[in-house]
Amino acid sequence: EAGVTQSPTHLIKTRGQQVTLRCSPISGHTSVYWYQQALGLGLQFLLWYDEGEERNRGNFPPRFSGRQFPNYSSELNVNALELEDSALYLCASSLSRYSNQPQHFGDGTRLSIL
Amino acid sequence: GESVGLHLPTLSVQEGDNSIINCAYSNSASDYFIWYKQESGKGPQFIIDIRSNMDKRQGQRVTVLLNKTVKHLSLQIAATQPGDSAVYFCAEISFYGQNFVFGPGTRLSVLP
Repeated sequence: EAGVTQSPTHLIKTRGQQVTLRCSPISGHTSVYWYQQALGLGLQFLLWYDEGEERNRGNFPPRFSGRQFPNYSSELNVNALELEDSALYLCASSLSRYSNQPQHFGDGTRLSIL
Repeated sequence: GESVGLHLPTLSVQEGDNSIINCAYSNSASDYFIWYKQESGKGPQFIIDIRSNMDKRQGQRVTVLLNKTVKHLSLQIAATQPGDSAVYFCAEISFYGQNFVFGPGTRLSVLP
């Protein structure tokens, strides 16, 4: 069974640019979560999508947004990039929002802002 | 999720010894708990989980203990190996999985 896949693996952008990160969940999983992990820090919750809807949002500015497609894959968009957006962006998926299930993570997209 | 400073708590153990990693959780309504392992350059990997109606669960070389009275979770790794070197995160889940909170993480360093 294929795990959570994220693309691209690495990305270099400059301040003010926009970026789109992509995530494909494990087959059968309907919930997708996005996290930001700055170097040496813990996981900061960004967004949660389930069945195409945004279910919860972390304490991030509106320039962080995303969506979930009918096939449950997801995109994270970040506008007007700032230096402090440099981080590892992790996507996770789980079976359903209606039961306690573990989140399974991809290996992330490493975003560097110059 | 929570954020921490640049200095993660570190646990150093000798190869072959047992490791115990601790986690204090905050929400008494949390009813499901998970331990994750994150190696350098990779995403967190599921290790073991436990539901609140249990106080102990064993896997291969790992044991999770749950003490709901003091809201404490621990991960025991038997015969620690160099490949166990990583950052370990606990997660507490409540409201049927809708509230998912990660702990700050502990770095495990295995000494030869």
